[in-house]
Amino acid sequence: AQSVAQPEDQVNVAEGNPLTVKCTYSVSGNPYLFWYVQYPNRGLQFLLKYITGDNLVKGSYGFEAEFNKSQTSFHLKKPSALVSDSALYFCAVRAWPGSGAGSYQLTFGKGTKLSVIP
Amino acid sequence: NAGVTQTPKFRVLKTGQSMTLLCAQDMNHEYMYWYRQDPGMGLRLIHYSVGEGTTAKGEVPDGYNVSRLKKQNFLLGLESAAPSQTSVYFCASSYLGLAGGPQETQYFGPGTRLLVL
Repeated sequence: AQSVAQPEDQVNVAEGNPLTVKCTYSVSGNPYLFWYVQYPNRGLQFLLKYITGDNLVKGSYGFEAEFNKSQTSFHLKKPSALVSDSALYFCAVRAWPGSGAGSYQLTFGKGTKLSVIP
Repeated sequence: NAGVTQTPKFRVLKTGQSMTLLCAQDMNHEYMYWYRQDPGMGLRLIHYSVGEGTTAKGEVPDGYNVSRLKKQNFLLGLESAAPSQTSVYFCASSYLGLAGGPQETQYFGPGTRLLVL
């Protein structure tokens, strides 16, 4: 079984400061890892993903994430937070290679609410 | 190009009533998914489809049925709604990847808020 843990329900950061949203995962085999963002009353929007290659992945809106295999982590980061970054952030994982259609399912974390304070 | 759309946006049901949620995508995606989102629980997969005419159960399928009669549409049905089905429902879709499975990124609709009294 695969799982995702987002240990912080909420993260508060001052505008202009760096931000980190934490994610750890458990999966059999190699992981595909994703970050999605959800603004109020909206669907989820894709931010970035790690499939293979460079451990530092760059995504939309200046976000990046670092894959750490030994710590089974995929933390989301941004050097300078904006008030407009305030949203709910979800980490997700699935294993590859898959065996059977069921193995293609994405497993999401519970989400972390990011509040950027002006 | 509308992406993934969902209808209705909001619905109130009484216990025991039935309804169908419609998801449509215009990206020619093979894979489609229905999730429910509940506070503090993230997204949980209800059912999914790997192509027209095929469906499969996800993590929380009980009380729901689905159909994929056309490639662009994925319907989620509640035959007898229960208060426990009060939730926000999201549809998503993804491409067929080169390796034969779904392409990694899923594209989400705006959601349907369902309240069951």
